Amino acid sequence: AQSVSQHNHHVILSEAASLELGCNYSYGGTVNLFWYVQYPGQHLQLLLKYFSGDPLVKGIKGFEAEFIKSKFSFNLRKPSVQWSDTAEYFCAVREGGNKLTFGTGTQLKVEL
Amino acid sequence: EPEVTQTPSHQVTQMGQEVILRCVPISNHLYFYWYRQILGQKVEFLVSFYNNEISEKSEIFDDQFSVERPDGSNFTLKIRSTKLEDSAMYFCASLGGMNSGNTIYFGEGSWLTVV
Repeated sequence: AQSVSQHNHHVILSEAASLELGCNYSYGGTVNLFWYVQYPGQHLQLLLKYFSGDPLVKGIKGFEAEFIKSKFSFNLRKPSVQWSDTAEYFCAVREGGNKLTFGTGTQLKVEL
Repeated sequence: EPEVTQTPSHQVTQMGQEVILRCVPISNHLYFYWYRQILGQKVEFLVSFYNNEISEKSEIFDDQFSVERPDGSNFTLKIRSTKLEDSAMYFCASLGGMNSGNTIYFGEGSWLTVV
């Protein structure tokens, strides 16, 4: 069965710091990869997705992620975080069926 | 942007009671899902629904759970006899086809508290 690992459970950064959140998955075949964000009290929102093509994908709000097939990774990055980026971030993988398997999530807190 | 809408946003129920959570998926979407997130834990898949039947379900989705699409717009999750451990945020989601970006969209969730 597919598993998705997010190794950073809690991250605290100061504004303007750079962010990288790790995501690794276990499936060796073709996958679709997603990052979702959940702001406090809100629903899951899509940040970005990768299906094929350029492994460096750009999403909303200045986020980007890089798919590295050899490492089974899809890390999320942002060069300079803002206080409003405080949220929980979920990596998710779809492996051919239509369901998503989520990672455990990373709680990001950005301090002023 | 089209939205998945869910009702109620928050429900408190006594253990053993039946609960129905309602969802209106994005129109013209074909796949529908329920996920849940117990406080402090990850988002877990419960069930997917396509062409008026369950296409996949997880181990969590036991006989106490059922889903239904009673008309052309609503998609419901019923918990027949709630347990304390059913307390969670329940997310409905829907998926369109390639024309919809092949992306799963989530509703705002229904927070269920079983007391």
